[in-house]
Amino acid sequence: KAGVTQTPRYLIKTRGQQVTLSCSPISGHRSVSWYQQTPGQGLQFLFEYFSETQRNKGNFPGRFSGRQFSNSRSEMNVSTLELGDSALYLCASSLTIQETQYFGPGTRLLVL
Amino acid sequence: DQQVKQNSPSLSVQEGRISILNCDYTNSMFDYFLWYKKYPAEGPTFLISISSIKDKNEDGRFTVFLNKSAKHLSLHIVPSQPGDSAVYFCAASYGGSQGNLIFGKGTKLSVKP
Repeated sequence: KAGVTQTPRYLIKTRGQQVTLSCSPISGHRSVSWYQQTPGQGLQFLFEYFSETQRNKGNFPGRFSGRQFSNSRSEMNVSTLELGDSALYLCASSLTIQETQYFGPGTRLLVL
Repeated sequence: DQQVKQNSPSLSVQEGRISILNCDYTNSMFDYFLWYKKYPAEGPTFLISISSIKDKNEDGRFTVFLNKSAKHLSLHIVPSQPGDSAVYFCAASYGGSQGNLIFGKGTKLSVKP
């Protein structure tokens, strides 16, 4: 089975722009979560989706949003980018919300 | 307020010896704990987990111990191998959901040949 895939792998944006990141879960997985990894804060939870519904949201500003489609693929969007949004954004999927999560390789976002 | 803490940023161990990675938590509502391993430029890889109703779980060279009264868990790797060199993250969840993991900041393990 193919693992979690994330596109793009690398991205450079400038302050004020917006960005959309994509995640394709492992086939059959219906739960998708997003995390942000930075050197200072470590891995922090962003969102959790199951069957197109957002179940949980982390402590991030409203500029961060996401959605899940009927095929379980997910996207996250960050509007009005700030320098501090530079990070590795990780997507993880699992069969259900009670099952172990498996992570993708991440999207490295650099905001200039 | 960091709910999951890994107080050792790094650990160096000789090949063949035991590696012990530690993790402390503050939230008594956590009911599931996991360890992930991460290599540079890759996403975290699941290693082993333990439910709060157990105090030990073993999988090959990896064993996780949970001490609920001390709010402490540890990962033992025996014997350590150079390929184990990576950053290890402790994570916790509650409410039966593993979709919103709370991570520690990681411990970088170096296993020297």
